[in-house]
Amino acid sequence: DAGVIQSPRHEVTEMGQEVTLRCKPISGHNSLFWYRQTMMRGLELLIYFNNNVPIDDSGMPEDRFSAKMPNASFSTLKIQPSEPRDSAVYFCASSLEFVLAGGPYNEQFFGPGTRLTVL
Amino acid sequence: SQQGEEDPQALSIQEGENATMNCSYKTSINNLQWYRQNSGRGLVHLILIRSNEREKHSGRLRVTLDTSKKSSSLLITASRAADTASYFCATGQRNKLIFGTGTLLAVQP
Repeated sequence: DAGVIQSPRHEVTEMGQEVTLRCKPISGHNSLFWYRQTMMRGLELLIYFNNNVPIDDSGMPEDRFSAKMPNASFSTLKIQPSEPRDSAVYFCASSLEFVLAGGPYNEQFFGPGTRLTVL
Repeated sequence: SQQGEEDPQALSIQEGENATMNCSYKTSINNLQWYRQNSGRGLVHLILIRSNEREKHSGRLRVTLDTSKKSSSLLITASRAADTASYFCATGQRNKLIFGTGTLLAVQP
């Protein structure tokens, strides 16, 4: 099992540029999560999908951020236009989960992260 | 805002000693999970304890949960230098995991 795969591992870009982060979840998992980690704010959930459908995007900071999951094996997080305050490590995680009252019920598997630097 | 708060923020011990980290949270949960993060890496799941459980063991790890006090503790026994990492508690609610601020554990060889 290859685990959760993220690309790129590092991204350096200039303010105003579009940034696209990619994630391939573990095969068979039906839930996918995007997190952002910074020293100031810790680990924040941005959005999560269940069966390719966005369930909760309340953590997405603003309209510059968008996420898609066109199929069960691929998701993207896009920032357009990027700003220096978006600099952070972005993690993707997946799990086998059921959207029921009282969840989540299972562990999440994290990818290695993408370290984004916006100059 | 963060749901869980870990205590202490940082802990330094000698190899072979036990390490105890605490986590407090604010609202009702269905389970609480502990994760480890090595520097520059993703988080790795350690253990999950459900709200109807009081204690759980996994190898050198022991987790307790007190729902009346809204707190949990993670005990690592016989620590090793390889245990050096940040440890996070995460509470499950409304189909989301809310992570705490983490405890940075340094195990000196």
